[in-house]
Amino acid sequence: DIQMTQSPSSVSASVGDKVTITCRASQGVSRWVAWYQQKPGKAPKLLIYAASTLQSGVPSRFSGSGSGTDFTLTISSLQPEDFATYYCQQANSFPSITFGQGTRLEIK
Amino acid sequence: QVQLVQSGAEVKKPGASVKVSCKASGYPFSDYAMHWVRQAPGQRFEWMGWINVGHGNTKYSQRFQDRVTITRDTSASTVYMDLSSLRPEDTAMYYCAREWEKLTNWFDPWGQGTLVTVSS
Repeated sequence: DIQMTQSPSSVSASVGDKVTITCRASQGVSRWVAWYQQKPGKAPKLLIYAASTLQSGVPSRFSGSGSGTDFTLTISSLQPEDFATYYCQQANSFPSITFGQGTRLEIK
Repeated sequence: QVQLVQSGAEVKKPGASVKVSCKASGYPFSDYAMHWVRQAPGQRFEWMGWINVGHGNTKYSQRFQDRVTITRDTSASTVYMDLSSLRPEDTAMYYCAREWEKLTNWFDPWGQGTLVTVSS
């Protein structure tokens, strides 16, 4: 299976800060990467797919980039509702879909 | 709107089986595949398997290949996930998730989750 490794595992930031989360694949996955946001007790929400395509209804402060093995999720100006856990997912090697371990974004 | 509603929490003994349902609404049920994903406490998400709802064919993760069965009832717009030979480490939140676009394996939306607890 392709391993997805996120960094950092947790980050503290303030409202208005810019935050970048990275995800590294153990082998190339082209642009077959998505990012999800999960809040406590809720199901995940799709933010970005195909590495950089913003899902409908997701604020433009979220952006994604990367290809091959290295990917980033950037939040340009943190809002209070953005404090959550973020996960990357690769879909290059169906039917072996895998996720990162998550990055917890906390309020400083 | 597109909505997936899952069945309620389950408590099972080791060795038993569990069947979780996922009822879909708000879109042509047979047009989109459905996936099952689980998250054990403190663990990352694990993809379990997929069903092409229109044709009924399935693919499973090698990790669960011998124990999971995904089926659908098109008349009820419902997909089912059956997991057998349960062990304590199967305690997790189980989610159904629809493919966002056909043949892309991006998940949106997700069901609300079904907590399965395996304990003697």
